Amino acid sequence: AQSVTQPDIHITVSEGASLELRCNYSYGATPYLFWYVQSPGQGLQLLLKYFSGDTLVQGIKGFEAEFKRSQSSFNLRKPSVHWSDAAEYFCAVFSGGYNKLIFGAGTRLAVHP
Amino acid sequence: GAGVSQSPSNKVTEKGKDVELRCDPISGHTALYWYRQSLGQGLEFLIYFQGNSAPDKSGLPSDRFSAERTGGSVSTLTIQRTQQEDSAVYLCASSPRTGGYEQYFGPGTRLTVT
Repeated sequence: AQSVTQPDIHITVSEGASLELRCNYSYGATPYLFWYVQSPGQGLQLLLKYFSGDTLVQGIKGFEAEFKRSQSSFNLRKPSVHWSDAAEYFCAVFSGGYNKLIFGAGTRLAVHP
Repeated sequence: GAGVSQSPSNKVTEKGKDVELRCDPISGHTALYWYRQSLGQGLEFLIYFQGNSAPDKSGLPSDRFSAERTGGSVSTLTIQRTQQEDSAVYLCASSPRTGGYEQYFGPGTRLTVT
C-alpha cells in the first residue's frame, strides 16, 4: 500500500541552526513528492515538489529537498532556521491511481531563540 | 492572484444538525479536492472532482457526507446529522491540471460538533 512516513513527530532546533526533516515513502511507480508547511490555524502551503529530473529541488523560504530513490526518501533541509519557520511540516506523495495526496503524519518544528 | 477560499472559517453546530461547507477554488483550476484533518487521523482524502467527470467519492467516511461542484467551480461539502466525531478541520484544495499533481489549499473550515 502507498504510504508516507515521517519518523520525527517533534523536532526542536535553535535559530540559525541547520534543519533536516525526514520523509520516507512507499510507492510502486515514480513518485510525485511534495512538502507542505502549516502554521497554526492556517491551511497548507506548498514548499516544494519533485516530479522528475534533478533530484535536488529548491523551494520557497530557503528550503530544499533531495529525492533518493535507493532510500525511498525525500528529506527536507534548510541551512539556517529562522524563528518564523516554527510550524508543522507534511510530506506527501501523489497517488495517481487514486487521485489524491497521501500525507505523512507531520513533523512539528519548534525553534528556540 | 486569489487563492483558494473557504467559508465559514469556523462552524459550531449541535449534534444531529446538517452543515454546509463552501470552497471557491483558484480560477481556471479543473481539479478540486476535499480533505479532513483531525487529531487522531491526520490528513485524510474525502472526495475529488475533475471537470465534468463523475467525482471520486472513495474517501467519504459515511453516507452522511456528500459534495457537489457547480459549474466546474464552487464546491459544497454537506454533512448530514452531524456527529461529534465529525469535528475536524475540512480543507479544500484545487489543482490546475488533470491528475492534480500540485494542490493548493485553502485555509480550512474548523467544524466543532457539540
